[in-house]
Amino acid sequence: SYVLTQPPSVSVAPGQTARITCGGKNLGSKSVHWFQQKPGQAPVVVVYDDDARPSGIPERFSGSDSENTATLTISGVEAGDEADYYCQVWHSTSDHQTWVFGGGTKLTVL
Amino acid sequence: QVRLVESGGGVVKSGRSLRLSCAASGFNFDDYVIHWVRQAPGKGLEWVAVVSQDGSVYYYADAVKGRFTISRDNYKKTVYLQMSSLRIDDTAVYYCVRPISSSWNDVLDMWGQGTKVTVSS
Repeated sequence: SYVLTQPPSVSVAPGQTARITCGGKNLGSKSVHWFQQKPGQAPVVVVYDDDARPSGIPERFSGSDSENTATLTISGVEAGDEADYYCQVWHSTSDHQTWVFGGGTKLTVL
Repeated sequence: QVRLVESGGGVVKSGRSLRLSCAASGFNFDDYVIHWVRQAPGKGLEWVAVVSQDGSVYYYADAVKGRFTISRDNYKKTVYLQMSSLRIDDTAVYYCVRPISSSWNDVLDMWGQGTKVTVSS
């Protein structure tokens, strides 16, 4: 089965830049999506298809990826960005399809 | 506006069954695959199952294969998740989710508010 690995937590001071990584085999060949989830709420897409941003998501949120790692970058972090963040990909084999989530990263704004 | 409303959650004993429903509105339901994603208390997101636009194709996570059945009724614009042989570790909030487009592999854009399932011993 396909596995996505995220750090459990990232801490950053307000105004600084947060980088959340997501590791997976040959991740660069897949489209990576990033979700933000605040307590008691459903997840919200903040970056999709590696580096695209949905309407309404601030430009402070950006995505990038390389061969085995995708990164969500949040510039000028604000208190309201404190949340859990999940990466996700679609993984397809010859006889099965799965939608895989990383374990999630808790972003703490100091 | 686009809405997905889950229902059917509750407390159920281990080994029993439960059926969740997801009622859709505000979009052309027949055009979209629909997923179920769950989140155990204090844990991360876990994809559960997906059903094709006409209900003829479906995929399941290994953790639920053989126990859960996903189906849909396009006339009622509703997706179902029949859960059998429930286990303690099936305890979670279950979300109904729609991709941003009619493609199978597109981003999971629209989420319901979730319905809570608690499996007791």
